[in-house]
Amino acid sequence: AQSVAQPEDQVNVAEGNPLTVKCTYSVSGNPYLFWYVQYPNRGLQFLLKYITGDNLVKGSYGFEAEFNKSQTSFHLKKPSALVSDSALYFCAVREVLTGGGNKLTFGTGTQLKVEL
Amino acid sequence: DAGVIQSPRHEVTEMGQEVTLRCKPISGHDYLFWYRQTMMRGLELLIYFNNNVPIDDSGMPEDRFSAKMPNASFSTLKIQPSEPRDSAVYFCASSLGLAFTDTQYFGPGTRLTVL
Repeated sequence: AQSVAQPEDQVNVAEGNPLTVKCTYSVSGNPYLFWYVQYPNRGLQFLLKYITGDNLVKGSYGFEAEFNKSQTSFHLKKPSALVSDSALYFCAVREVLTGGGNKLTFGTGTQLKVEL
Repeated sequence: DAGVIQSPRHEVTEMGQEVTLRCKPISGHDYLFWYRQTMMRGLELLIYFNNNVPIDDSGMPEDRFSAKMPNASFSTLKIQPSEPRDSAVYFCASSLGLAFTDTQYFGPGTRLTVL
C-alpha cells in the first residue's frame, strides 16, 4: 500500500530563515505526491503537487518541494519563512484501491511554527 | 468560484441526537469526498461519490453513518444516533476527476462536538 511519513510533529524556524518540512513516501509504481496546508479553523488548502518532470515543483505562497527518487522524499521548502506561514502541513500520496479507483492518503501532519 | 461550501461550521449536540452535515462541491466537479479529522486518527476518507453515485464507502465507521448526494450540487453526511466518539472535524472535498493528477479542493470543515 502507498503511504507517506512525516517524521516531525513540529518544526520551529525563525522568520526570514529557510524552512523545510519533511516527507518520505512508499509507493509501488510512479508516485503522485501532494502538499496541503491547514490554517487554524480552516480547511486544507492545496499548495503543490508532483506528477512527473522537474524534480523541483513550485507552488503557492512561495513554497516549493523537491522530489528525490533515490531518497524517496518530497520535502517542502521555502527560502524565507514568514510568521504567517505558521500552520499544519500535510503531505499526501495517491493510493490505488483494490477494485479500481484511487484515493489520497495523508501523512500525520507537521506543525510549522515561525517565530519573530 | 466560491470553493467547496460546508454547513454548519460548528455543531454541538447531545449523544443520541441526529446530526446532518451539508456540502456543496465546486461546480463542474464530478467527484465528492467526505473526510473526518481527529487527533488520534488524522485524516480519514469516509466515502466518495462520482456523479452523485457512492463509489467507495469502506471508510464509513459504522451503520450510524450515512451519506447521500441527491444532485450534483449537494451532499449530506448524517450520523444517527450520534455518540461522543464522533466528535471531530468533518471535511468535504471535490475534484474534477479521479485521475492521479487531479487535485482535491477542501471545504472549511464542520467541527462536530457530541456531548
